[in-house]
Amino acid sequence: QMQLQESGPGLVKPSETLSLTCTVSGGSISRRNNYWGWIRQPPGKGLEWIGSIYYSGSAYYNPSLKSRVSISVDTSKNQFALKLSSVTAADTAVFYCARVETAPDVFDIWGQGTMVTVSS
Amino acid sequence: SSELTQDPAVSVALGQTVRITCQGDSLRTYYAGWYQQKPGQAPVVVIFDNTKRPSGIPDRFSGSSSGDTASLTITGARAEDEADYYCNCRDISGNGNHWVFGGGTKLTVL
Repeated sequence: QMQLQESGPGLVKPSETLSLTCTVSGGSISRRNNYWGWIRQPPGKGLEWIGSIYYSGSAYYNPSLKSRVSISVDTSKNQFALKLSSVTAADTAVFYCARVETAPDVFDIWGQGTMVTVSS
Repeated sequence: SSELTQDPAVSVALGQTVRITCQGDSLRTYYAGWYQQKPGQAPVVVIFDNTKRPSGIPDRFSGSSSGDTASLTITGARAEDEADYYCNCRDISGNGNHWVFGGGTKLTVL
């Protein structure tokens, strides 16, 4: 059974870059029908799609974050990663990684989420 | 990017039926998914492709869609259905490669 697990620092200073990794276990990240996505949820607020990546490296980003976001994939490690630059307190959130099935369209497997706080 | 609009909060009496709606232009083109999120937990998909239910999801959960509105219906609500519910679909303004989530609906079971 496939599982996803987020990892990375829980505290990031303002203006620095937030970096998280999602490790996929129990299956290959190179499946053709899957994208791999990042979603965030500020405390007490709703879900926001950050971006998604295909195993080939093709990535798509939320236009509101595009200038600060980069998502990469490492098929040899079965991982994909998120970088969010120039963070502020408004970026404090629980960050989830998820598998996106494209046939049918669904975010069907989620990591447990990791809380990242932006504070000096 | 386009938006998906949900009512912030809905309540239902125990055992009754409740409908949660999601409205947006992207729903005219793309299928909706619905996700249940309980406090401190990751979201779980309860409906995908507008009407399909993943294995393990009780059949009291059903979905429908018409025009620019998708709906999640819970028939015979139980106390454990109290949660936040989010809709999502591909974003029509992103040529189908972007995604968007609704703002979420907090369901209270009375």
